[in-house]
Amino acid sequence: EIVMTQSPATLSVSPGERATLSCRASQSVSSNLAWYQQKPGQAPRLLIYGASDRATGIPARFSGSGSGTEFTLTISSLQSEDFAVYYCQQYNNWPRTFGQGTRLEIK
Amino acid sequence: EVQLAESGGGLVQPGRSLRLSCTASGFTFDDYAMHWVRQAPGKGLEWVSGINWNSGSIDYADSVKGRFTISRDNAKNSLYLQMNSLRAEDTALYYCAKDKHLAVAGLFDYWGQGTLVTVSS
Repeated sequence: EIVMTQSPATLSVSPGERATLSCRASQSVSSNLAWYQQKPGQAPRLLIYGASDRATGIPARFSGSGSGTEFTLTISSLQSEDFAVYYCQQYNNWPRTFGQGTRLEIK
Repeated sequence: EVQLAESGGGLVQPGRSLRLSCTASGFTFDDYAMHWVRQAPGKGLEWVSGINWNSGSIDYADSVKGRFTISRDNAKNSLYLQMNSLRAEDTALYYCAKDKHLAVAGLFDYWGQGTLVTVSS
């Protein structure tokens, strides 16, 4: 099973600033990496797939990069609605696995 | 608009069974694989099971293999999860999730709101 490790566990950033979230896979997942956003009491929402492709309706301030084992989600200018938990997920190998999440909180 | 509505959760004793349902709308159901993903209270996400468009390809997480059975009825736009021999560690919010692809890719582009399963005596 591929282990996905996200860092940091919690990230404190001020509105309008840039946030950078990291995800590492225990072995290569090629570009088969997705990012999800989850707000309290809500279901996860797909943000990024293929490591860098934005899902339908996702604002351009969200961008993804990386391949192999190292990935990054960048939110260029944080809006109030962006404070949430973010999960990475690999869909290269079975079982599909998620990272433990990064909580993005208001500084 | 894609909508996924789960039902069937509840409080159940260890060792008993429960059947979850998910009704889909807003897309051509039999064009896509479907999945169940769960989230224990205050914890992260765990993929549970997936089924391709025609039920010809099915897979399970090791943690539920042999106890859970996924199925679908394309005529009813519905996905199911039969859960037997339930354990305390199966307690979670169970999400129905649509795959972005026809095959079981395991890329989840739409999610329902979840149904809570609590296993406790």
